Amino acid sequence: AQTVTQSQPEMSVQEAETVTLSCTYDTSESDYYLFWYKQPPSRQMILVIRQEAYKQQNATENRFSVNFQKAAKSFSLKISDSQLGDAAMYFCAYRSASVLGAGNMLTFGGGTRLMVKP
Amino acid sequence: GAVVSQHPSWVICKSGTSVKIECRSLDFQATTMFWYRQFPKQSLMLMATSNEGSKATYEQGVEKDKFLINHASLTLSTLTVTSAHPEDSSFYICSANDGRTGELFFGEGSRLTVL
Repeated sequence: AQTVTQSQPEMSVQEAETVTLSCTYDTSESDYYLFWYKQPPSRQMILVIRQEAYKQQNATENRFSVNFQKAAKSFSLKISDSQLGDAAMYFCAYRSASVLGAGNMLTFGGGTRLMVKP
Repeated sequence: GAVVSQHPSWVICKSGTSVKIECRSLDFQATTMFWYRQFPKQSLMLMATSNEGSKATYEQGVEKDKFLINHASLTLSTLTVTSAHPEDSSFYICSANDGRTGELFFGEGSRLTVL
């Protein structure tokens, strides 16, 4: 079974600064997807960024980028120029790409609460 | 973009009653839907996977008779919490898999409070 670990329960960043959220995972599969989701106080899950394991290039979405280290099974999220609206819970998630595998549900890490200081 | 509608967004019920939560995919066919439960300040825990027209697959420790899941059409899955008790109070979130693209989309979640 796959597991996802977020070792930072809480992180704090000054507005306009950069912060990195950590995520590690464990899997025996070679083909999979990794995601970062944001959950603001409204509790709506918002997709921030996704990474296909077969791609070596790190995904980037505006101020959000990832550092994907497949061999180390690490998938960190970097938020640049942090804004007050970035304050939320962030969840790292894993999804198998194998049709015959564990299905295509998401396995979530424990989450990191990000606080942004004005 | 694709939208998944979850209803009701919040519900309060008395202990012993049953509550039904609906999850609808509004502009795509959802071959598979997932139901998650989230306790305060915790992560999402998968409860069950439902495929259209077949029985749901429940995760270990989830009582299938307590949490009834029906996926009768490609756009609707329902979760019924039967004989609800205060410990069933939680936030329930569904996600739907677009059968054409494989993308996953989340509903807005439903907060259940059992008195």
